[in-house]
Amino acid sequence: GEDVEQSLFLSVREGDSSVINCTYTDSSSTYLYWYKQEPGAGLQLLTYIFSNMDMKQDQRLTVLLNKKDKHLSLRIADTQTGDSAIYFCAEGGSNYQLIWGAGTKLIIKP
Amino acid sequence: DGGITQSPKYLFRKEGQNVTLSCEQNLNHDAMYWYRQDPGQGLRLIYYSQIVNDFQKGDIAEGYSVSREKKESFPLTVTSAQKNPTAFYLCASSARLSTDTQYFGPGTRLTVL
Repeated sequence: GEDVEQSLFLSVREGDSSVINCTYTDSSSTYLYWYKQEPGAGLQLLTYIFSNMDMKQDQRLTVLLNKKDKHLSLRIADTQTGDSAIYFCAEGGSNYQLIWGAGTKLIIKP
Repeated sequence: DGGITQSPKYLFRKEGQNVTLSCEQNLNHDAMYWYRQDPGQGLRLIYYSQIVNDFQKGDIAEGYSVSREKKESFPLTVTSAQKNPTAFYLCASSARLSTDTQYFGPGTRLTVL
């Protein structure tokens, strides 16, 4: 069945780049999403990429999509303490539902 | 401001009680969703609604019920049949039932005492 996988934790130093990875299984996905969740809050849409794109950049965020390997990544440049959160990858599944990864908790070291 | 509101933020329930979680949106979205979030897990879909007076079961609908009498509102009832209801509940909406971007409310944390 459809599945989205992410590592559960990522630890980076403040000022470094963070790269959060995600793999998915549904090759028919039209959109792939990155959401951010701060403690005790709802999910906030960070960015999304169409399946016919390879890369999308938005200020400090860069999304890379490798359709052949079904691999999606989110790079956060110059990571700040405010970036500390859980990051969810989601793909648009074939039955009009979003399929969610378990989330990657980004930990910022001073 | 357009957005999604959920209330209450925290809810405590005694075993055997039904409780209802509120979700309201003023985005004029047709589709609305309820998810459950447990620590270390992704979001699991409970129910979704494509349009007023229509809703469908998601992956974990047992022990839950919903209604969609108005476009703006999609309340979720957690019944006593739900054996492990302690979780964080998230409501979302999207323009259409599709893979359109979903927008989320702030969530309700339900704890069973």
